[in-house]
Amino acid sequence: AQSVSQHNHHVILSEAASLELGCNYSYGGTVNLFWYVQYPGQHLQLLLKYFSGDPLVKGIKGFEAEFIKSKFSFNLRKPSVQWSDTAEYFCAVNAPGGATNKLIFGTGTLLAVQP
Amino acid sequence: DGGITQSPKYLFRKEGQNVTLSCEQNLNHDAMYWYRQDPGQGLRLIYYSQIVNDFQKGDIAEGYSVSREKKESFPLTVTSAQKNPTAFYLCASSIYSPDTQYFGPGTRLTVL
Repeated sequence: AQSVSQHNHHVILSEAASLELGCNYSYGGTVNLFWYVQYPGQHLQLLLKYFSGDPLVKGIKGFEAEFIKSKFSFNLRKPSVQWSDTAEYFCAVNAPGGATNKLIFGTGTLLAVQP
Repeated sequence: DGGITQSPKYLFRKEGQNVTLSCEQNLNHDAMYWYRQDPGQGLRLIYYSQIVNDFQKGDIAEGYSVSREKKESFPLTVTSAQKNPTAFYLCASSIYSPDTQYFGPGTRLTVL
């Protein structure tokens, strides 16, 4: 069965620090990869996604993620975080070609950025 | 203004009562989903529907039921058989498979 691991459950950074959140998945075939973000009191929204092509994908608000197939990883990065990046971040995976568009989510990483 | 609406935002019910959570979308999406979010557990899929009048169980369907009589609506009923119903419930939709899922604002259910 597919699974997604986010090893960092809580991350605390100061403003301007660099961010990298880990995401690993277990599935040997073709995958679609997503990062979603949930800001306090707001909807869960898409940060970025990878379906195919360039493994380095750029999303909203200066975020990017790199798909490394050999490592089954899709880590999220931002060179310089802001206080407004305080949120919970979820990595998700699905396997296209199956009968459903079933997303498997990681357990989330709560990021707190201190001003 | 397109999007997904869920109502109510907060819901309180007594133990043993069934409760129905509303989810409506005006995005003309074929697929709709219900997730449950608990602290430290991420989102877990309860039910999903790829087309009107059809739906399938997700990973944690026990104690829940759904219907999909209209394309834009996918209500979730939390029955008294659900052993731990207090949670944050999220509805989502997508155009087709595979594609990005768009989420509603959620309903926080508390069973007293």
